[in-house]
This record gives sequence, C-alpha cells and structure tokens, in this order.
Amino acid sequence: GAGVSQSPSNKVTEKGKDVELRCDPISGHTALYWYRQSLGQGLEFLIYFQGNSAPDKSGLPSDRFSAERTGGSVSTLTIQRTQQEDSAVYLCASSLNLAGVTSGANVLTFGAGSRLTVL
Amino acid sequence: GESVGLHLPTLSVQEGDNSIINCAYSNSASDYFIWYKQESGKGPQFIIDIRSNMDKRQGQRVTVLLNKTVKHLSLQIAATQPGDSAVYFCAENNSSGYSTLTFGKGTMLLVSP
Repeated sequence: GAGVSQSPSNKVTEKGKDVELRCDPISGHTALYWYRQSLGQGLEFLIYFQGNSAPDKSGLPSDRFSAERTGGSVSTLTIQRTQQEDSAVYLCASSLNLAGVTSGANVLTFGAGSRLTVL
Repeated sequence: GESVGLHLPTLSVQEGDNSIINCAYSNSASDYFIWYKQESGKGPQFIIDIRSNMDKRQGQRVTVLLNKTVKHLSLQIAATQPGDSAVYFCAENNSSGYSTLTFGKGTMLLVSP
C-alpha cells in the first residue's frame, strides 16, 4: 500500500484480556518495527524484523508481549493478560533497510498507531 | 545506558518567527540522526536526517545542525507556521549493520498566529 496501515486505531480492553494489533507495512519494505509510545513520552523500541532473519526482541518488556511477521509482510503484536501499564499507542514502522546504504533508504515510515487502553 | 534527550519539553513561538529545537545525545558511536514530526493522532513523520560526517544539512524551511564535539543536534525551522505545531523527536542510530532508532522524549512546538 501507499503507507503503513495499522488496526485497530483504538482498542479498549479489560485488564487480563489478550489483544492483537496488526500492521501492514509498505509493500517492498523488508524491515518492520514496533514501538510503544506512552503519554508524553518518546518512542520505546519493542521488536524489529528484517527479512528472514531472527527478529530482535530485545525491547519487549515482558514475556506477555510477542510478535510475528508472516510471509515477510503483515505483522501482529500480541499482548497477553493485559495490564493497565500496557496502555499506550503502539506504533509500527517499516523501511527498506538496505545494508550499507547511506541516509534516506533506512528512514522509518510510521503508521498512525493503535491506541490501547486497558481498564 | 546510552540515551537521547531533549533540553526543552515545550517551545512556544509566534507565527513567522524562527524556531530552534535542541537535542542532546550520549552515544558517541551514533552516526546517523533523524528529526521526526508528530502531529496529534498521527504517527511520526520524517523531516530531515544527517550523517555524522556532516555538520549541517538544509531542507525546505528546515536546517539540522550537528555538533559532534558536544554531542548536540538542533532543528531550525524558518518562518514558523501554525501547521508546524507538533511534537518533534530527534532519533539516533548506530548503524553497525542495524537500523533500530533510539528516540528522545520529544519537544512540543506551539505556534501562535
């Protein structure tokens, strides 16, 4: 597509429920990222997928968080047994991520985010 | 650990003024820096980037300055317009074959007509 698409745009859930957030990256972008943005805060890195390589999960805050990327395209971020502190905007981004290429090609394009509210 | 931070959380300017948003970084290995603009309810949008082998880069109404000696980055917006009102983030990248960006907390720019 023309941009990074995320769904749902808003999700309200009860504490303890599981949620799934979806990201459709820009066609042809091999790299996909998930970030979390809490109110008034910067962007916190969660996970990074690059092609068929093992994802970098170093930013996931707990084992309740997981993500997968099927077929090198669409990604789903799953949060199990949600807690109130999970409330945030979850942003997905994609990039061409061409190794060795200078600035420009590795610029991340972000989606509008999925706002998660855990009651 | 290494981090990227901002000096001013909120900057208020009048329309037509020039704006300067500052950012300090601490990772001396960072070699690529980006400024993003985030409007309310939207994801961050790329504004301008700069590599560490440069100290200045200009775009349309925006200029990024990099001072590696003091690890300082700034974004200058000329003739600020109400549409420039947003949160501005600086981000750094230590490429090393990797493209994970580290973001600062952001500065809110408020432009009054």
